Amino acid sequence: QKEVEQNSGPLSVPEGAIASLNCTYSDRGSQSFFWYRQYSGKSPELIMFIYSNGDKEDGRFTAQLNKASQYVSLLIRDSQPSDSATYLCAVNSGGYQKVTFGIGTKLQVIP
Amino acid sequence: NAGVMQNPRHLVRRRGQEARLRCSPMKGHSHVYWYRQLPEEGLKFMVYLQKENIIDESGMPKERFSAEFPKEGPSILRIQQVVRGDSAAYFCASSLQGGRDEQFFGPGTRLTVL
Repeated sequence: QKEVEQNSGPLSVPEGAIASLNCTYSDRGSQSFFWYRQYSGKSPELIMFIYSNGDKEDGRFTAQLNKASQYVSLLIRDSQPSDSATYLCAVNSGGYQKVTFGIGTKLQVIP
Repeated sequence: NAGVMQNPRHLVRRRGQEARLRCSPMKGHSHVYWYRQLPEEGLKFMVYLQKENIIDESGMPKERFSAEFPKEGPSILRIQQVVRGDSAAYFCASSLQGGRDEQFFGPGTRLTVL
């Protein structure tokens, strides 16, 4: 079982819709959860992080964490074509341990 | 406040040569991470360093690859006797503290081995 799993996509949504990106992780002791956006040919850019169960909102982005189900998601409201990118889920298992990245979900927002 | 800086941005080497990649972390950050990304693949952790110390090198190939983060100057990822399979994007990230702290990425170095 992979440590951090994501569906590679592509996930296609129409402009203005809600995009829902999902991620599961295997280490029940994981403490920190991150979402990065990566445009083609560019480096990953941090867009959200969450440490506690529940929802965290920042503008059009909402991160959701459910530690019991070992599940973290990212919702993008009012999706725009500029949101088209690969979204990487990353999980840190505590202490100084490394962050493990999922393979990323490619999102396509159709005008 | 400058972000993470990497150089060179593009590096071309012939098989058997050495590649040296540099990373300067964000101001105030003392934790550096190196990742490799192959085309259409995810980020693969290579090594985690603090000043003058290698904390975790579990993702780094045992041969030909080495990394350092000296007391003064940038972190260096060195690949000796490069092979075509080393062609990839190499990203450096830094964080203020290790562990649960968020990491910020540099623009990457794209290595091409001819």
